[in-house]
Amino acid sequence: DAGVTQSPTHLIKTRGQQVTLRCSPISGHKSVSWYQQVLGQGPQFIFQYYEKEERGRGNFPDRFSARQFPNYSSELNVNALLLGDSALYLCASSLDPGSSYNEQFFGPGTRLTVL
Amino acid sequence: LAKTTQPISMDSYEGQEVNITCSHNNIATNDYITWYQQFPSQGPRFIIQGYKTKVTNEVASLFIPADRKSSTLSLPRVSLSDTAVYYCLVGDVSSNTGKLIFGQGTTLQVKP
Repeated sequence: DAGVTQSPTHLIKTRGQQVTLRCSPISGHKSVSWYQQVLGQGPQFIFQYYEKEERGRGNFPDRFSARQFPNYSSELNVNALLLGDSALYLCASSLDPGSSYNEQFFGPGTRLTVL
Repeated sequence: LAKTTQPISMDSYEGQEVNITCSHNNIATNDYITWYQQFPSQGPRFIIQGYKTKVTNEVASLFIPADRKSSTLSLPRVSLSDTAVYYCLVGDVSSNTGKLIFGQGTTLQVKP
């Protein structure tokens, strides 16, 4: 079975632009979470989606938004990019929001560089 | 969720046993201790989870003293491929909302 997939692998944008990152969860998983990982730090929670609805939001500005599609894939959108948005964006999938820690699986991430 | 404190970095040599200790003085009764491993440019991967005493799987062992205010991840006979960042997380897994809280982690460098 394929694991969590994310696209693109790498992305370079300039300040003020908008970006869309994509995530496909493991087959059968209905919950998707997004994390931002700045170099040298641990991942920080951004959003969780389940059954196309937002179930949790971290401490990120409104420039960050996400959505989940009927096939449970998800997109993360970031508007008005800032240099500080440069990071590895990780997607994690699980069967449902209540899945235990050992039942959440991360994708390889999308490396976003903002110039 | 309880705050965790880990060493920023550790060095080891191939074939040695590595022990990484995590402090979690404010751990709650329902909290479990979970360790993740992350290689460069990859997402974190679950290693092991425990509540008390000792847990062992094919990858690592987790030692938790009776007061549960700390825990030690033990990696037996490390190899170069064990070079990674190791994160200690503490939280109530029964009411997990999918929000994992990571600290800075411990960067383990295994040398030949």
